[in-house]
Amino acid sequence: QVQLQESGPGLVKPSQTLSLSCTVSGASINSVAYSWTWIRQRPGEGLEWIGNIRYGTDYNPSLKSRVIISLDTSKNQFSLNLRSVTAADTAVYYCARGVTDYTTGWSWFDPWGQGTLVTVSS
Amino acid sequence: DIQMTQSPSSLSASLGARVTITCRASQTISKFLNWYQQKPGRAPKLLIYAASSLQSGVPSRFSGNESGTDFTLTITSLQPEDFATYYCQQTYAAPSTFGPGTTVDIK
Repeated sequence: QVQLQESGPGLVKPSQTLSLSCTVSGASINSVAYSWTWIRQRPGEGLEWIGNIRYGTDYNPSLKSRVIISLDTSKNQFSLNLRSVTAADTAVYYCARGVTDYTTGWSWFDPWGQGTLVTVSS
Repeated sequence: DIQMTQSPSSLSASLGARVTITCRASQTISKFLNWYQQKPGRAPKLLIYAASSLQSGVPSRFSGNESGTDFTLTITSLQPEDFATYYCQQTYAAPSTFGPGTTVDIK
């Protein structure tokens, strides 16, 4: 059974960098079959895809200038770094596995981590 | 970006009721449409992928359908554990985008 677990500071000061890790168990992040994804949900709002990593990285254009997603294969983890944060970056951050059916191109996110709340405040 | 809309934004229904939620894409997305269920304080859970394929372990009372750019999620015979918020997601084009959600609560 694949499980993902986010970790990192729950409070970040404005203008600093938000750094989160996602530890994966039950699957190898080296697997070419999957991508590894970050999604966030601002308080009381919907879901926003941040970006993912597999062979390379893809980012949401709205965040691309501030985001880096990377892999740490030694720890079977992937990470999110979001720089120059503001209060608008306060959200629950989820990591998830991206699954793609290569015969059709269909893709989806499953499973998801439980999420971690990051508050941006001085 | 492809815009996803959902209707209704919320609904109240009784146990055993049949519920249908609609998601509309701003352009054609073929079958690149997924449905997730989210309960308060929990992560979203995949229900349906590729518009109509039921994720393993999801009860068969959940089903998805597609008609052009309109997609529906139907729950037949609503159960207590189905009261939640439901999101659609398109993965046809980057960035992947989600609908605003439909909250199903108890009537």
